[in-house]
Amino acid sequence: GAVVSQHPSWVICKSGTSVKIECRSLDFQATTMFWYRQFPKQSLMLMATSNEGSKATYEQGVEKDKFLINHASLTLSTLTVTSAHPEDSSFYICSASVVSPGTNYGYTFGSGTRLTVV
Amino acid sequence: GESVGLHLPTLSVQEGDNSIINCAYSNSASDYFIWYKQESGKGPQFIIDIRSNMDKRQGQRVTVLLNKTVKHLSLQIAATQPGDSAVYFCAENIGGYSTLTFGKGTMLLVSP
Repeated sequence: GAVVSQHPSWVICKSGTSVKIECRSLDFQATTMFWYRQFPKQSLMLMATSNEGSKATYEQGVEKDKFLINHASLTLSTLTVTSAHPEDSSFYICSASVVSPGTNYGYTFGSGTRLTVV
Repeated sequence: GESVGLHLPTLSVQEGDNSIINCAYSNSASDYFIWYKQESGKGPQFIIDIRSNMDKRQGQRVTVLLNKTVKHLSLQIAATQPGDSAVYFCAENIGGYSTLTFGKGTMLLVSP
């Protein structure tokens, strides 16, 4: 089945530093990848949508200069949280979409990254 | 986006009971719906999906019901087990291609 690998699973960084999160589709080519943010006891909030080879589309209120997204290939998308601050601490989740949606693997999610900024 | 909640409703059931988790969606144009299970510290896991041309779909121990008239979706879990304890989210989109919009989620607690 479709597998999305997200790395790291958790990271602690100092305030002001940058953190990169990777999302890889292991056994399929993902034309589109999505990045979500989730606070405790809340739902997933879409941050941005990225298509391979083009600029990401950010949701309203998400700073594109702070959350840099690169989708350089059909199997890899990265999210870089730049100049992280404690309020950026959250659970970040990626999702990859296959070309044939409507199947079990239309949207496959990574295991998430717990970011803690101290 | 829409359907984003700040509080997580909780459903507590006994092992062996049937569980029903409800979801109201807001976009009448949505035609594809998915239920996800999310365990603590993990990403969402696909459970079952349904298209708007259906009103019921069954899987293993799970059934999804769709009522387009009132924009309501439900997930029924038969013979609930402690391993079913998790947060359950419904998600909707249009055409299966566009972005998913998640509901606010329901925490299911199953006691032995």
